[in-house]
This record gives sequence, C-alpha cells and structure tokens, in this order.
Amino acid sequence: VMTQTPLSLSVTPGQPASMSCKSSQSLLHSDGGTYLSWYLQKPGQPPQLLIYEVSNRFSGVPDRFSGSGSGTDFTLKISRLEAEDVGLYYCLQSTRLPYTFGQGTKVEIK
Amino acid sequence: QVLLQQWGAGLLQPSETLSLTCGVSGGAFSGYFWIWLRQPPGKGLEWIGEISDSGNAKHNPSLESRATISSDKSKHQFSLKLTSVTAADTAVYYCATFRWRYGMEVWGQGTTVTVSS
Repeated sequence: VMTQTPLSLSVTPGQPASMSCKSSQSLLHSDGGTYLSWYLQKPGQPPQLLIYEVSNRFSGVPDRFSGSGSGTDFTLKISRLEAEDVGLYYCLQSTRLPYTFGQGTKVEIK
Repeated sequence: QVLLQQWGAGLLQPSETLSLTCGVSGGAFSGYFWIWLRQPPGKGLEWIGEISDSGNAKHNPSLESRATISSDKSKHQFSLKLTSVTAADTAVYYCATFRWRYGMEVWGQGTTVTVSS
C-alpha cells in the first residue's frame, strides 16, 4: 500500500512545496534498484512522468523538481512553485506486481 | 518519440465487454511493456495489466480474471478486453508505455468509458 501525505497542499507561488509517499513494504528490488516514480496529472490530462527511480528527473522536467528517499519513505520537493505546477501528484511503485499508486496529493496555488 | 493513440466504445451496458485499442507510432514496438490503467471519476489510478514485447501478459488480480491484454506487433497495436462490466468499471482508461527503470513515460489521451443501463 502506498500512502501519500498531505492529501492537499496550498502554496504561494515562488515558495517550496514538499510531499511524502510511504510504502508498506520496502521498494528495494532484488536487482538493487528502487522503482519509485512520481507523476503530475493536470486537470483533464493524462499523468506525466516527473521522476523515475526515486531521484532521476525525466527528460524536460524542470530542475525545481527533485525526488529523494529509500526503502519505504520517499519525498517529492518543488523548490519554487509555479502556477503551471498545480494538479494532482501521484507516486507509483513498480518494484512488485501489481504496480500501485498512492492516492495523490493535490497542489493548489494559495 | 513514441506516441500512443487509443480508441474504443465509450458507453456500455452492464454485463457487456469493454474493448479498447492503443496504436503505437513514432518508435519501435519492442523494448517496452505496454500497459493499461484506469481512473474512476474523482479517484486515483489503478494498474490493470501489461504485455511485454514478447507477448507475455500480466493482469491485476483485483479484476478477477476479467481483463485480457493482447498485442498485434504487425499493426503496432495492443488491446484491452474487460468482460462482464458493471458500473464500478466506469472510468477513464489509459494506455501507456512502461520500462522497468523509467516508469510510465508515454501516455495515451485517455478514453472515458461509462457503464450504464
């Protein structure tokens, strides 16, 4: 089970934002990788990949997004929130089947 | 760059079979897992299943064997069938690519499926 907190976040533009994703089991795979990724779903759009394998930014993702963590505890940080960052953020574990998402953190502009 | 375009019936009656197809363009069909997910109204994302480029399919046990994912390499397409649908299967259905290390890089546009009598 993937548990995200908080469920919602209201942030002033230019300020940092941080959200947590906790897994009920370690996401360390037997091959040494930790398959935790983060997605942003903007209203009316499919999710888009932001971070893969805990801390790697996907192509084209601004460097204000960063991921960290290990084992069961993971964090996504936005260093300076911009208006285009609003939406639902999901974490996904793909270490073991079935792959499962957190319930999402909704980020809004204050 | 891989692009995904999905299509299929959007309105079903209870007990019918959902059938969706995702077309792959702009890149190789091999080297990825091809997956289906869904998102019920106002809710989170659920992984339905995947098929490898060699045709090995895996499905979410939560769907109790109602889901079947298949692929047609010659057409660069993969498909989802979900039998005996109920109102609980009402959702936006997405196809996407998956690579073990990178996660779900490319997504289809989504198809809204409503099950109603």
